[in-house]
Amino acid sequence: DAGVIQSPRHEVTEMGQEVTLRCKPISGHNSLFWYRQTMMRGLELLIYFNNNVPIDDSGMPEDRFSAKMPNASFSTLKIQPSEPRDSAVYFCASSTQVSYGYTFGSGTRLTVV
Amino acid sequence: KNQVEQSPQSLIILEGKNCTLQCNYTVSPFSNLRWYKQDTGRGPVSLTIMTFSENTKSNGRYTATLDADTKQSSLHITASQLSDSASYICVVSARNNAGNMLTFGGGTRLMVKP
Repeated sequence: DAGVIQSPRHEVTEMGQEVTLRCKPISGHNSLFWYRQTMMRGLELLIYFNNNVPIDDSGMPEDRFSAKMPNASFSTLKIQPSEPRDSAVYFCASSTQVSYGYTFGSGTRLTVV
Repeated sequence: KNQVEQSPQSLIILEGKNCTLQCNYTVSPFSNLRWYKQDTGRGPVSLTIMTFSENTKSNGRYTATLDADTKQSSLHITASQLSDSASYICVVSARNNAGNMLTFGGGTRLMVKP
């Protein structure tokens, strides 16, 4: 099993540009989570999906952030327009509802200049 | 409000020494508690997962304890190695209708020096 796969690993973009982060969860996992990690705030949950349906997006900081999960094997987190304060590491994680196994991806380090 | 507090924030120890990291939580209803190790530039990797009825769980040189009455957990690292240098994150899961929701501690940054 390749685990949770995120792309790109690193992204550097100019302020105002659109950024799209991608995640492929572990096959068979029916929950998917997007987290943001910064030194100041640690790991924060942005949004999570259950069976491809967004359940709780209260962690999404602003309307500039949006997430989709068109099918069980793919999710995107989009920031439009990006701002320097969005610079962080964004993690995707997946799990099964009935097990306790959360698995994190390796993260995407986003730098907005 | 669900909260997880970890101490110390950072720790420096010499290779071969033991150390203990602490985690206090106020999460309800409690489902389980996990310790993760996060190497620099990598995603968190699970070390142990403990449910309400488990007091101790080991994973190699890592031993986690859980006291559900006092809502405290500890992670003990025995005979530390340089590769143990990482952030250790305590994560407590609360059960809700949609499944388990995680509350993250701020982590302890451990540095093991030769």
